[in-house]
Amino acid sequence: GDSVTQTEGLVTLTEGLPVMLNCTYQTIYSNPFLFWYVQHLNESPRLLLKSFTDNKRTEHQGFHATLHKSSSSFHLQKSSAQLSDSALYYCALSDRSNNRIFFGDGTQLVVKP
Amino acid sequence: EAAVTQSPRNKVAVTGGKVTLSCNQTNNHNNMYWYRQDTGHGLRLIHYSYGAGSTEKGDIPDGYKASRPSQENFSLILELATPSQTSVYFCASGDADWGGTGQLYFGEGSKLTVL
Repeated sequence: GDSVTQTEGLVTLTEGLPVMLNCTYQTIYSNPFLFWYVQHLNESPRLLLKSFTDNKRTEHQGFHATLHKSSSSFHLQKSSAQLSDSALYYCALSDRSNNRIFFGDGTQLVVKP
Repeated sequence: EAAVTQSPRNKVAVTGGKVTLSCNQTNNHNNMYWYRQDTGHGLRLIHYSYGAGSTEKGDIPDGYKASRPSQENFSLILELATPSQTSVYFCASGDADWGGTGQLYFGEGSKLTVL
């Protein structure tokens, strides 16, 4: 079945350093949608990025990700972390064949001064 | 802007009591979902629905029922609440149908404490 793997449960880094959160997925569907959701403390998850196109960089609010179907990956990156980036980040997959959305376990990003 | 609203936002219940969490969406999406979120477990799917009158079991349906009486409303029902159901519950609507991407629009969350 479909699944999403986020290898890091917790990422702690210093403000100004680059961010990379890993996401890999499994699906038999050839045209999945991949998403990154961000959830700040005491808020609900909201969409950060989404992509459908292979090898095309998608950017929003300083973050970017590129869907690579060859490696089944959709890593989230940012060149310079800010304190306000501290949040829980979920990678998710939609194969649209059955309207199910599959979430990874989430990565807690903590940015320190 | 997509709108999903949940009620109540906070609920304290007693063990063995009945709890109903309600969700209303104005997105006109066919698909709606109930998740629970616990530290260390991420978002776990309880029930979902493809439209009025339909409910489907998600990954952790035991102890929960769902009801979708209309396009706009989707309820989660705990007939006999237990302390293990203490959690934060999120409702979401999704645009996987009508050629959408599958993006989810989440409600504000409902914090349930079962004593």
